[in-house]
Amino acid sequence: DQQVKQNSPSLSVQEGRISILNCDYTNSMFDYFLWYKKYPAEGPTFLISISSIKDKNEDGRFTVFLNKSAKHLSLHIVPSQPGDSAVYFCAASKGNTGKLIFGQGTTLQVKP
Amino acid sequence: EAGVAQSPRYKIIEKRQSVAFWCNPISGHATLYWYQQILGQGPKLLIQFQNNGVVDDSQLPKDRFSAERLKGVDSTLKIQPAKLEDSAVYLCASNLLGMGDTQYFGPGTRLTVL
Repeated sequence: DQQVKQNSPSLSVQEGRISILNCDYTNSMFDYFLWYKKYPAEGPTFLISISSIKDKNEDGRFTVFLNKSAKHLSLHIVPSQPGDSAVYFCAASKGNTGKLIFGQGTTLQVKP
Repeated sequence: EAGVAQSPRYKIIEKRQSVAFWCNPISGHATLYWYQQILGQGPKLLIQFQNNGVVDDSQLPKDRFSAERLKGVDSTLKIQPAKLEDSAVYLCASNLLGMGDTQYFGPGTRLTVL
């Protein structure tokens, strides 16, 4: 049972444009959501997070939006840069367990 | 600040052999996690330690996988005997308190079972 889903395996955008990565979840008990970025041969690195009491969190070029009624979150990268090319994982947790449930990942390619 | 260290980085074994992975978390981090990432999937939690105690091992295949964190610092994950479907990247992560803290990941160990 895939509780966190990233339905787009890949995304390609032009440098300077907006990248939008999507994530859906099924468990309404999730109350904390994170995005991780992963380069080849490296471990995932934390990018940005959002609590379920918020609907938006912004950090520089990165903004995460949460729509609880739709059980959907998205990551916006503006403007996109070639260095943003990586695999992006959405993750969710519930309560204070620290246990993360990851989506399958979306490979972002930003073309110069 | 040094990151999470893992070794080896790569390992190739034949099915039914045994293998062990080592992780050294960030200094002072009480919580340590082992994840399995199969190609094309996201990381899946195998086991979570708080200091040297197990918090969650519900997804650890205990008939072949074992893990320990004897002194609450380093950890080892063992597979005995390995199966073809164990081919994956094994990621170790740590954080200060568990709960909602950011998890910091090591580079992973890529295991290939032939």
